[in-house]
Amino acid sequence: GESVGLHLPTLSVQEGDNSIINCAYSNSASDYFIWYKQESGKGPQFIIDIRSNMDKRQGQRVTVLLNKTVKHLSLQIAATQPGDSAVYFCAESSGNTPLVFGKGTRLSVIA
Amino acid sequence: DTEVTQTPKHLVMGMTNKKSLKCEQHMGHRAMYWYKQKAKKPPELMFVYSYEKLSINESVPSRFSPECPNSSLLNLHLHALQPEDSALYLCASSLNLAGAYNEQFFGPGTRLTVL
Repeated sequence: GESVGLHLPTLSVQEGDNSIINCAYSNSASDYFIWYKQESGKGPQFIIDIRSNMDKRQGQRVTVLLNKTVKHLSLQIAATQPGDSAVYFCAESSGNTPLVFGKGTRLSVIA
Repeated sequence: DTEVTQTPKHLVMGMTNKKSLKCEQHMGHRAMYWYKQKAKKPPELMFVYSYEKLSINESVPSRFSPECPNSSLLNLHLHALQPEDSALYLCASSLNLAGAYNEQFFGPGTRLTVL
């Protein structure tokens, strides 16, 4: 399930199931979006990106969906594995502006 | 070489100490960044260098002083820090500041503790 509050939102999934991590962004001028994965004690690692002229992009086991109408971004991970356990951040930028990071979601995979 | 390296990995310092964090990349990137990250929070932008010139300073206190000696190196000089400055300090680089698909590559970070 998913919990939101004072702590980092957490999504718990069974190994082998699909995961969906959501992100709402606020700047309607944002035209580039990235998903990063951050494991404990490490820097953020690029997963997948998407431009605003697309609504879907697929990578290896991951898909990013962009809904500009409601300013919503999602990351889908197929056949979730224990190694996918991490904190996932969405980030947005527009034009020359540096990336702005979302709050993050902790994904816990139950073996 | 497709990585950003940071040294040291861990740093403990007193409030009167002077120390420096170092970052290096050899990907030919012309934009380099310093971020501060507190536990369970997203990275917060501190400074941006573009073509070795300071482009953005996000109202960071003067006890943090960035330096970009050349296109591959980025330093963060620390002096008279406070315990609340304890955090993970991340360096990142990208090809340049502008344009889509301008992915930022992050280093592993320096875990800083101020006593």
